[in-house]
Amino acid sequence: EAQVTQNPRYLITVTGKKLTVTCSQNMNHEYMSWYRQDPGLGLRQIYYSMNVEVTDKGDVPEGYKVSRKEKRNFPLILESPSPNQTSLYFCASSLVGANVLTFGAGSRLTVL
Amino acid sequence: AQTVTQSQPEMSVQEAETVTLSCTYDTSESDYYLFWYKQPPSRQMILVIRQEAYKQQNATENRFSVNFQKAAKSFSLKISDSQLGDAAMYFCAYTEDFGNEKLTFGTGTRLTIIP
Repeated sequence: EAQVTQNPRYLITVTGKKLTVTCSQNMNHEYMSWYRQDPGLGLRQIYYSMNVEVTDKGDVPEGYKVSRKEKRNFPLILESPSPNQTSLYFCASSLVGANVLTFGAGSRLTVL
Repeated sequence: AQTVTQSQPEMSVQEAETVTLSCTYDTSESDYYLFWYKQPPSRQMILVIRQEAYKQQNATENRFSVNFQKAAKSFSLKISDSQLGDAAMYFCAYTEDFGNEKLTFGTGTRLTIIP
């Protein structure tokens, strides 16, 4: 089944404890991206990648890192999480130029 | 920067009735795509419908249709014969046709279906 898989789906952590949210897609998509969803703000793009080793900042990149060493994987790294990073995170992927994103199921992160 | 505005934070409709969700956007581009996404309680983002700006014909998917007014920069979603399973948060979104797949989202409209 064609899908975007995120892990973990739920995580409660404490301020400053590094964490990684993994994202993997099995559709051979070049493009991958991370969004965060907050009440009253909709979804906002954090980082995106047009292909392997090509990443760029989205609208809200502060406090996050990403890497794209393989085409299928695009992990989101929070080096030192803070409570304002408590949010619902989505990974998404697409063929470049397709203009249709496939979303993962979301990862609910709580930073205490 | 492009913006997407959904002015109705919440709406409700009687089961089997028709409801229209509003969306306006701001852009200086002529080629772009507009979307409606549904987010049920499961939190999954589900694509409902997509409209290409250069197509004058309004997109339709079963009970879902859009009213795309390019000059007015308006993109409303009409749900006909509302069903209980339509209860969800609905997001309007925009992307430019430049190979950059970034979506700009509105703040969402929560739709309640009254049995």
